[in-house]
Amino acid sequence: KAGVTQTPRYLIKTRGQQVTLSCSPISGHRSVSWYQQTPGQGLQFLFEYFSETQRNKGNFPGRFSGRQFSNSRSEMNVSTLELGDSALYLCASSPDAGRKETQYFGPGTRLLVL
Amino acid sequence: SQQGEEDPQALSIQEGENATMNCSYKTSINNLQWYRQNSGRGLVHLILIRSNEREKHSGRLRVTLDTSKKSSSLLITASRAADTASYFCATDDVGSNYKLTFGKGTLLTVNP
Repeated sequence: KAGVTQTPRYLIKTRGQQVTLSCSPISGHRSVSWYQQTPGQGLQFLFEYFSETQRNKGNFPGRFSGRQFSNSRSEMNVSTLELGDSALYLCASSPDAGRKETQYFGPGTRLLVL
Repeated sequence: SQQGEEDPQALSIQEGENATMNCSYKTSINNLQWYRQNSGRGLVHLILIRSNEREKHSGRLRVTLDTSKKSSSLLITASRAADTASYFCATDDVGSNYKLTFGKGTLLTVNP
């Protein structure tokens, strides 16, 4: 099976812009989680989607949003970008919602906000 | 917020030596997992230990869990240069609605 794919891999934006990142989970996986990774804060949970519904949300402002489509692909959107949004954004898929026994991570999208 | 805290933050050893990394956490957990990340890329799941388990092995990896001390350790035996990576512990906390909480990681460098 193909692994988790994320597009784009690299992105440069300026403050105030918005960005959309995409994640395609492993075929058959219905849960997609998003994480932000920065040197200062480490890996922080953004949100999780399962069956097109947001099941869980981390402590991020409303500028961060996401959605999931019927084919389980997920997108996350960040509006009004700030310099501090520069980070590696990782998505992870797992077969079902519920206890996270194993998550399969994509390679990430590296976002630089200038 | 960070649940797991890895120790040390960085570790440098020679090939063939063993590497031990520790993780401490604060709340009750369902399970604890270890992941590896190579140079800012995606994370790879290494091993999971449930709250009612004390030790697990997988190849050259050995994980222990002490729920009374809220700590876990990851031992990599006979390390190789290819083991150079950052290692993270992640906890599935009781009552967290199944989201994982990651520590800040240990950067392991294995010198040839």
